[in-house]
Amino acid sequence: QSVLTQPPSVSGAPGQRVTISCTGSSSNIGAAYDVNWYKQLPGTAPKLLIFGNSNRPSGVPDRFSGSKSGTSASLAITGLQAEDEADYFCQSFDSRLSGSIFGGGTKLTVL
Amino acid sequence: QVQLQESGPGLVKPSETLSLSCSVSGGSLSDYYWSWIRQPPAKGLEWIGDIYDSGSTIYNPSLQSRVTISLDTSKNHFSLRLRSVTAADTAMYYCARNNGGYFDFWGQGSLATVSS
Repeated sequence: QSVLTQPPSVSGAPGQRVTISCTGSSSNIGAAYDVNWYKQLPGTAPKLLIFGNSNRPSGVPDRFSGSKSGTSASLAITGLQAEDEADYFCQSFDSRLSGSIFGGGTKLTVL
Repeated sequence: QVQLQESGPGLVKPSETLSLSCSVSGGSLSDYYWSWIRQPPAKGLEWIGDIYDSGSTIYNPSLQSRVTISLDTSKNHFSLRLRSVTAADTAMYYCARNNGGYFDFWGQGSLATVSS
């Protein structure tokens, strides 16, 4: 059971907008620790998608955006494309663990 | 561009020690934390631990009694040792650079299977 809670799956049609939630607690997201997001294609390593709640690394399209409020964070993907079909993980820091924590992952299906 | 590459035996016997190495190229180990993260088959990611360039370490409490992460700055690599492994330790093991709380560069992963 992951410390950060994500929906197991989301889906959307090409061109649509989807969001993936990541719910934590007062010892991680609620304690003002940053949330980061990763995209993982089958058989490959995770790739950084969003860091510091809402910042995109160079090369990540602006269709991807992140936000944080209270003890939760969200990843939004607009203009959904077939290549967005992947697993998405949120990650933060937990003060009780004194280390990094991940969400359980969300499988995005593009219909 | 920083690149990381894991290496190690793919098969480990139960109760033995899993040893993996991560070679870093395109940058030095200085000024960053370096991390090990694992992913059991068809499951999520689990942080194992970090090591700073000074050699200080921090481990996941659930693994702390069995894990050691070490650093060799002269060879630009860092290593993972996980003792007394069981089938539950079967996973893809990734090394990654921790850039102030987020993992910006990852290795391709090394699959470790625990089986007799």
